[in-house]
Amino acid sequence: EDKVVQSPLSLVVHEGDTVTLNCSYEVTNFRSLLWYKQEKKAPTFLFMLTSSGIEKKSGRLSSILDKKELSSILNITATQTGDSAIYLCAVGGTSYGKLTFGQGTILTVHP
Amino acid sequence: GAVVSQHPSWVICKSGTSVKIECRSLDFQATTMFWYRQFPKQSLMLMATSNEGSKATYEQGVEKDKFLINHASLTLSTLTVTSAHPEDSSFYICSARRGQGTLQPQHFGDGTRLSIL
Repeated sequence: EDKVVQSPLSLVVHEGDTVTLNCSYEVTNFRSLLWYKQEKKAPTFLFMLTSSGIEKKSGRLSSILDKKELSSILNITATQTGDSAIYLCAVGGTSYGKLTFGQGTILTVHP
Repeated sequence: GAVVSQHPSWVICKSGTSVKIECRSLDFQATTMFWYRQFPKQSLMLMATSNEGSKATYEQGVEKDKFLINHASLTLSTLTVTSAHPEDSSFYICSARRGQGTLQPQHFGDGTRLSIL
């Protein structure tokens, strides 16, 4: 059975701090790893990673995949209160493209 | 963009009612859509994979007769919760994937909060 584990489960920081969120996985026939941000409604797509060692970047957010270690990290620099959300890691491991989600990391950024 | 619209956003109804939730991809064709359920402070649990023109594939433990899925076109999938009971109360979210390839991200609708009294 495919498994995705995220850590930490929750994190409280102050504005301006840098955070690193972790995601590890055990998946048959790995195809992709995705990061989503969920605020009050449904998740919004952040990154999709398929190749090891290549960093994806968007503004203050960046992510990298390590296929050897079966893991990924999501970095957020200079955090803002608007970054407060649940960050979900998901892995696609079958030809049907279904995703297995981790438990999520609840990030709270205080002013 | 990749916009997915889900309707309604919330439903409150009596026990025994059937509730239909629609999921539409607005600016792309989606041969595959997914239906998830999310409990408070928990992650998304996949219920079923919906393929246009064919029967949905349900995850283990999900009752097919309880959660009816129809994917009649490349832009619309529906989930009907039949004879809903309080234990069916949850946040239901659909997602759609652009194109045929599996190396495409899923894009999510805004979810439907279902409350059964």
